[in-house]
Amino acid sequence: AQSVTQLGSHVSVSEGALVLLRCNYSSSVPPYLFWYVQYPNQGLQLLLKYTTGATLVKGINGFEAEFKKSETSFHLTKPSAHMSDAAEYFCAVSDMRKAAGNKLTFGGGTRVLVKP
Amino acid sequence: EAQVTQNPRYLITVTGKKLTVTCSQNMNHEYMSWYRQDPGLGLRQIYYSMNVEVTDKGDVPEGYKVSRKEKRNFPLILESPSPNQTSLYFCASRAPGGGLDEKLFFGSGTQLSVL
Repeated sequence: AQSVTQLGSHVSVSEGALVLLRCNYSSSVPPYLFWYVQYPNQGLQLLLKYTTGATLVKGINGFEAEFKKSETSFHLTKPSAHMSDAAEYFCAVSDMRKAAGNKLTFGGGTRVLVKP
Repeated sequence: EAQVTQNPRYLITVTGKKLTVTCSQNMNHEYMSWYRQDPGLGLRQIYYSMNVEVTDKGDVPEGYKVSRKEKRNFPLILESPSPNQTSLYFCASRAPGGGLDEKLFFGSGTQLSVL
């Protein structure tokens, strides 16, 4: 079965500093991988996704993630944090089994705090 | 505007009192799903629907019911709520023909407290 582990439930960064959010997954087949962001009092929005092809994926708001099959990782980065990046971030993997009902399996989430 | 609408936004109830959380999407999406979000556990799927009159259990279906009589609506029903169902609930949908690589569209959430 699929699983997703996000290292660190809370991350604090200074404005202008690098944002690095870690995600490791387990999957028996090549996965589709996603990062979603949840701003306060809102639903989740897609930041970026990896399906096939280039392993470095660029998303919205300056975020990018790199799929590393050998490390089963899909870490999210942004070179320079902005105050508006304060949110909770979720890594997710598609369950490719037909019986899974097009399900996404989510990690536990990482809440990002940006300090001025 | 394309959106998934959930109501109510906040709900406080007591143990055993039946309740329904509504979900509606205006994008003609076939696939709809319910998730609950709990601290440290991320989002877990409760039920999903591939199309009208086609529903199936997700990972945590106990204590919940759903129905899909129309394509746009997918209500979540708690027949006899219990305190362990206190959670933040999200409805989501996916574009027609959208496979596993397509994104989900989420509603704004329903914060449920069962006393």
